Order: sequence, then structure tokens, then C-alpha cells
Amino acid sequence: QKEVEQDPGPLSVPEGAIVSLNCTYSNSAFQYFMWYRQYSRKGPELLMYTYSSGNKEDGRFTAQVDKSSKYISLFIRDSQPSDSATYLCAAGTYKYIFGTGTRLKVLA
Amino acid sequence: DGGITQSPKYLFRKEGQNVTLSCEQNLNHDAMYWYRQDPGQGLRLIYYSQIVNDFQKGDIAEGYSVSREKKESFPLTVTSAQKNPTAFYLCASSETLNTEAFFGQGTRLTVV
Repeated sequence: QKEVEQDPGPLSVPEGAIVSLNCTYSNSAFQYFMWYRQYSRKGPELLMYTYSSGNKEDGRFTAQVDKSSKYISLFIRDSQPSDSATYLCAAGTYKYIFGTGTRLKVLA
Repeated sequence: DGGITQSPKYLFRKEGQNVTLSCEQNLNHDAMYWYRQDPGQGLRLIYYSQIVNDFQKGDIAEGYSVSREKKESFPLTVTSAQKNPTAFYLCASSETLNTEAFFGQGTRLTVV
């Protein structure tokens, strides 16, 4: 079992939809969680960083962490074609384990 | 303009040769990391450094070496002992371990 699991997709949604991206992790010691967006052939761009259960909002993005079920989510509101990318989750303590990424396509 | 600079963007190497990838940051971060990205496998940690003159092996350190002589620099050498070196290499930094990490734009290494 991988320490951080993520559905690879692709996930296709129409423009304006609410997108839900999810990861599960197996190590209950993980305390820190991040979401990245990665365009093809580019480095990952940090979207959200959180270290507690609950929700954290930044613009159109909301990160949700449920430590009791070891489940992390990223919600994107009013999705745009420019949001089409691969989304990576990461979890860890002093070093981070990454999921394999979910490919998202937002259709105009 | 603060950030992480990786060079070169593309690198070609002949089998049997060592090659060094550059990573420089001007964010005044203590921690730096090297990851490798392969299709379908996500990012895997090669080496990380908590502070200057200190570094630790990650999950896939075999065939790689690093140094951390300066706070802003963390070069990665891919040696001839690395069996499958063709990959996308990403450098990252953070204020300390377990704070948010920021990535460079990557170096795509191809062994020919």
C-alpha cells in the first residue's frame, strides 16, 4: 500500500463546475499537508498548506483535512480552463510523501 | 525576485558519465530537497538537507550524491551508478523541514 494514494484521473468537468480532488494517506503520524498544481513540463506550484484538521480557504480553493479518516481534499470553485493541470497532494512530518497526481481537464 | 532556479532546463548525458544539476535559492530557506518525477509514479525524494553542511538520504538515494556547502545551493550529481537516470528532476526549498515547500522549474535529464 502506498503511503499517499490519489486517483490518477483524468477528471473532466465543464467550466464553472466545482471540482473535488481527493487523497488518502496511511500514516497517522503525518501532520502537514500540501496541494500543488503542476502544468506539463513545469515545476509544481504550491496552492495550499495546512497542518490541522478542518478547512482552509484561499480564493477559489479550499483544502480540507480529516485526520480521523486520513483523508484530504481540495475543492476548486468556479473552475476555469486554466485550471487544467495535474494536482498533487503531499503529506508528511519532517519530509513529504507525494501522491501520483490527478489530471484535471476543465472544458470551455 | 525571490525563487528557486534550476539549471539547465534540459540536459543530455551519455551512458557512463556523471552529471551535476544545479539548484540555487534566494529565499533564505534552511531546508532543501531533490525529487525525481517519473510518469505514473509521482515525486520521489532523493536527498534532503535540513541545514548547511548537513544532508540525508531520501527514499531513492542510490546512484546520486549531493553537497550543501552554502545555504543557497544544493547541487545534485547523477552518477554512472544510477541505473535509470532519465527523468524530470525537481529541487525544492522550505524555511525549515515540515513548512511549505516551493519548487523550481525542473531539469529534464535524458541519457543517450
